[in-house]
Amino acid sequence: AQSVAQPEDQVNVAEGNPLTVKCTYSVSGNPYLFWYVQYPNRGLQFLLKYITGDNLVKGSYGFEAEFNKSQTSFHLKKPSALVSDSALYFCAFMEYGNKLVFGAGTILRVKS
Amino acid sequence: GAVVSQHPSRVICKSGTSVKIECRSLDFQATTMFWYRQFPKQSLMLMATSNEGSKATYEQGVEKDKFLINHASLTLSTLTVTSAHPEDSSFYICSAIKDASSYGYTFGSGTRLTVV
Repeated sequence: AQSVAQPEDQVNVAEGNPLTVKCTYSVSGNPYLFWYVQYPNRGLQFLLKYITGDNLVKGSYGFEAEFNKSQTSFHLKKPSALVSDSALYFCAFMEYGNKLVFGAGTILRVKS
Repeated sequence: GAVVSQHPSRVICKSGTSVKIECRSLDFQATTMFWYRQFPKQSLMLMATSNEGSKATYEQGVEKDKFLINHASLTLSTLTVTSAHPEDSSFYICSAIKDASSYGYTFGSGTRLTVV
């Protein structure tokens, strides 16, 4: 079965340091990949997506992700973390029928 | 931008009653909407795909008679939890695609359902 995996339940980083939230995929063909962020008791906010084209995707709030076909990865990155970046992050892929299927999620904690 | 409004944000109901959750696309027409369920500190589980003017498509293991979905217009989909039980308590989130060609999914703010 196709899936995305987020191997880390939680990532801790100090404010101002670079952050990486990992995602690997097991999707046939050309994967359509997404990153979303969720704040407590809220819906999901779109960060970025990879459909085709440049492997480095730049998104909202200074986030970016690199599509790496050889490593089947789509890690989310930000050069300098903010305390306000603390939230739950989801990697997702698009399945048939335009359905989004989500990974387990990674809690990001940024400490000042 | 694309905005999806979900209502109510929180609801508490008694066991055995039914609860309706609305999902509206405010500034675009959505022929397809999706309903997700999220347990505490867990991922989103797709429950069903709601198609305007036709029956919803439910994911495997989701009881269609318990979770009734109606998509009567291009801007409104509703999820009704029938004969609710405490195990139905969860966070329900809807999503809609504004532009299928750009894969722009927009999510509602979610509904916290508590069944007592």
